[in-house]
Amino acid sequence: GAGVSQSPSNKVTEKGKDVELRCDPISGHTALYWYRQSLGQGLEFLIYFQGNSAPDKSGLPSDRFSAERTGGSVSTLTIQRTQQEDSAVYLCASSLVQGAGNEQFFGPGTRLTVL
Amino acid sequence: SQQGEEDPQALSIQEGENATMNCSYKTSINNLQWYRQNSGRGLVHLILIRSNEREKHSGRLRVTLDTSKKSSSLLITASRAADTASYFCVPSGFQKLVFGTGTRLLVSP
Repeated sequence: GAGVSQSPSNKVTEKGKDVELRCDPISGHTALYWYRQSLGQGLEFLIYFQGNSAPDKSGLPSDRFSAERTGGSVSTLTIQRTQQEDSAVYLCASSLVQGAGNEQFFGPGTRLTVL
Repeated sequence: SQQGEEDPQALSIQEGENATMNCSYKTSINNLQWYRQNSGRGLVHLILIRSNEREKHSGRLRVTLDTSKKSSSLLITASRAADTASYFCVPSGFQKLVFGTGTRLLVSP
């Protein structure tokens, strides 16, 4: 079956430009997460969507970062006015139900390079 | 939120040896999960152990959980070069999962 997909797989952009990263979760998964991983570092939580509840945005590093999830499925992470420190791999994950085992299934990530 | 702390940060062993990684956490949990990340297969879920379980096995993996000490361990037996990866423990309750920095395991042929 289809897993979590992300696009693009790689994105190179110039400082100051806006970028949009897309995540297609596994069908039927109600929870969706965005993480960021810098080179050689662990995962940094960014934002979490659960069903129709208000998203948990507590991990977003600045107001240049935003995310939305349309129709409870596809999610888009937007970074405005990108900075070089935004360069990282952005990972998306989905899980079936929050709080009941909630094994997360990860996508392959989008590698963002800000020049 | 809650985060596990893995120990050691890095571990180098020879093929065939066993690898043990430890995890400590601070809050009450519903379960604890271990994940692996390598360049070939990305980040994948390995095993989940519930708070009322003490030990669980899956193939060459053995996980223990001691909720009184708020600690867990992951044992990989008869390691292979393909086990080279970073391993993360993720304690979970009813909140979002938070990943730590992991243990980097290097298995040399």
